[in-house]
This record gives sequence, C-alpha cells and structure tokens, in this order.
Amino acid sequence: GAVVSQHPSWVICKSGTSVKIECRSLDFQATTMFWYRQFPKQSLMLMATSNEGSKATYEQGVEKDKFLINHASLTLSTLTVTSAHPEDSSFYICSAKSGTVGPDTQYFGPGTRLTVL
Amino acid sequence: AQKITQTQPGMFVQEKEAVTLDCTYDTSDPSYGLFWYKQPSSGEMIFLIYQGSYDQQNATEGRYSLNFQKARKSANLVISASQLGDSAMYFCAMREEYNFNKFYFGSGTKLNVKP
Repeated sequence: GAVVSQHPSWVICKSGTSVKIECRSLDFQATTMFWYRQFPKQSLMLMATSNEGSKATYEQGVEKDKFLINHASLTLSTLTVTSAHPEDSSFYICSAKSGTVGPDTQYFGPGTRLTVL
Repeated sequence: AQKITQTQPGMFVQEKEAVTLDCTYDTSDPSYGLFWYKQPSSGEMIFLIYQGSYDQQNATEGRYSLNFQKARKSANLVISASQLGDSAMYFCAMREEYNFNKFYFGSGTKLNVKP
C-alpha cells in the first residue's frame, strides 16, 4: 500500500510555456501533499505544502505565481510551472501523507524530470 | 543551524559487509521523528525506516537498523549484508512535532557497493 504516482515522468518544453505535473495517491487518501525540488546531486528542497481544498503554503523564496499548486481532491495534487525558463529545469518530486496509512511518514512519487529549452 | 547533517558525501562498502551511514540532527522539540530514505538512480524516494524520539528500542526493518543515540542526537543507519542493489543515495530526514508536516532532509550520502 501507500503508492504515489506522478505524471509525466519526464517532460521537455520550450521556454515560456507552462507545464503541469500531476501527483496521485493510488491506494490511500492523502490529507496533505508536498512538492519538492531536487537539483543534481543535492538534497530535496520543500517548495510547498498543500491540503485538500485549501490554498497551498509555500516555503520562503518560492514564487507562488510561478509554481501553481492545486490540491483538488484527496488523491490528486497538481503543480503547474508557469512561463517556464531554463533555470526551472529540475527534478520535481511530490509526496503524500495520510492520517491513517503510516501516519508518521511521507510517501514519495517517482519524480518528474523537467527540462526547459 | 542545519537541522540534519550527513557528513559522508560518499561511501564504499564491499558486498555482504555491513555499513553505517551517519546522521546527526538538531532540534529543541522534545517530540520528533527520524526517517531514512533511499533514492536509486531512477529518482524515486523509498522509505526505509522510522524512529520516534520516544521509542525506547532502536528501529529495525529487515537488513536496516537505526542506531538511535538520543543524547548525542544521532540516528545512524546500519545496513547489514550489503547487496549490489543497495547502491544509491541515502537521505536522513526529521520531522518535529510543532511543525508536523515539514520534513528536513540532509544532504545525502552516496553509497556504492562493490562486488
């Protein structure tokens, strides 16, 4: 149990376009979902935390208007990178937390590699 | 101050031997949780083991055990009988009770298992 999927697994886009990444909890209801960014050979940086039905809480330094997060249901959160630029190229990982399945841990998706040309 | 410190950027271990990956943490919260995750080259983060600050016993999960020394604020991961498939990045993480949802990650340790 506690499987989280992400789609797409990789995406290449042109500078100036927007990209949407989906994060789904497949076999549990995720009360809270998280979006991380990871640069090569570095640790995960938390970008934002989202609870179903409410606005996301962004970490300091993360642009809300650039990284739009929507937690539409208990199994789906989306991250939209708006007007993407090459510096947005990174590995984006979502995670989900449940109040019932392993309540103390986060379960991670497989990640999405974004390349902006 | 860094919440989680992993001082070993890279480690080598011979197959079938045990290896210890270091992790120290910094918190003033009396209630917290400590986690270890494995990240293979594919990028997914795999949950390995959890230790609560009030747990009396060290956590164990199969070949993984957590050497929890509360007074020293260390939570080292021990992998016994290393396998080639254990080659990956390993991240230590902490969650504090007062900010239950926020995970702090260390910088990671790259483990290479040699045949």
